[in-house]
Amino acid sequence: GNSVTQMEGPVTLSEEAFLTINCTYTATGYPSLFWYVQYPGEGLQLLLKATKADDKGSNKGFEATYRKETTSFHLEKGSVQVSDSAVYFCALSDHSGAGGTSYGKLTFGQGTILTVHP
Amino acid sequence: GAVVSQHPSRVICKSGTSVKIECRSLDFQATTMFWYRQFPKQSLMLMATSNEGSKATYEQGVEKDKFLINHASLTLSTLTVTSAHPEDSSFYICSARDVLAGARDEQFFGPGTRLTVL
Repeated sequence: GNSVTQMEGPVTLSEEAFLTINCTYTATGYPSLFWYVQYPGEGLQLLLKATKADDKGSNKGFEATYRKETTSFHLEKGSVQVSDSAVYFCALSDHSGAGGTSYGKLTFGQGTILTVHP
Repeated sequence: GAVVSQHPSRVICKSGTSVKIECRSLDFQATTMFWYRQFPKQSLMLMATSNEGSKATYEQGVEKDKFLINHASLTLSTLTVTSAHPEDSSFYICSARDVLAGARDEQFFGPGTRLTVL
């Protein structure tokens, strides 16, 4: 079956530090890959995504590249801010399912708590 | 756009009672909604996929008679936890997929419902 493994947290950084959160996956076929962010007290929000190998997703200074050869989708940001403090989830989307009924089922990693101090 | 709401945000109930949680897509139509459960400091686990006008598809290990899902319209899905017990206490999150969106595998998440069973 599909699975997603994220680096364990929590991660604590000072403002303007470089961020990397590792994510690797196993899947049949060619899934889409996502990073979601959950701010305190809020629902998950899509941060970025990539739908095929070598695609780079980017948003709000965050980037991740779909690496098929290493089955990875590591999240990076060059200079984090206090407002980036949140829980980050790596996920993949299943493209299988007859009739599309299960199309788009998401498998999530365990989440990484990021805390950024001033 | 692409807002998903959940109601209630928090609910406390006595053991043995039933609780209904609503998930609504406010500004788009959703043929498919997903229900997740999130334990503290853990990832989201997919419980079931809800397709409008048809029976929900439950993930392995999820009791369909305990977690009743109804998706009667393109904007509303409900999850009813029947005869709730303390072990059902959790954070329940729904997501919805936009029928008309070009990216078929993108989901929009609700803010979640915290269920506490005493």
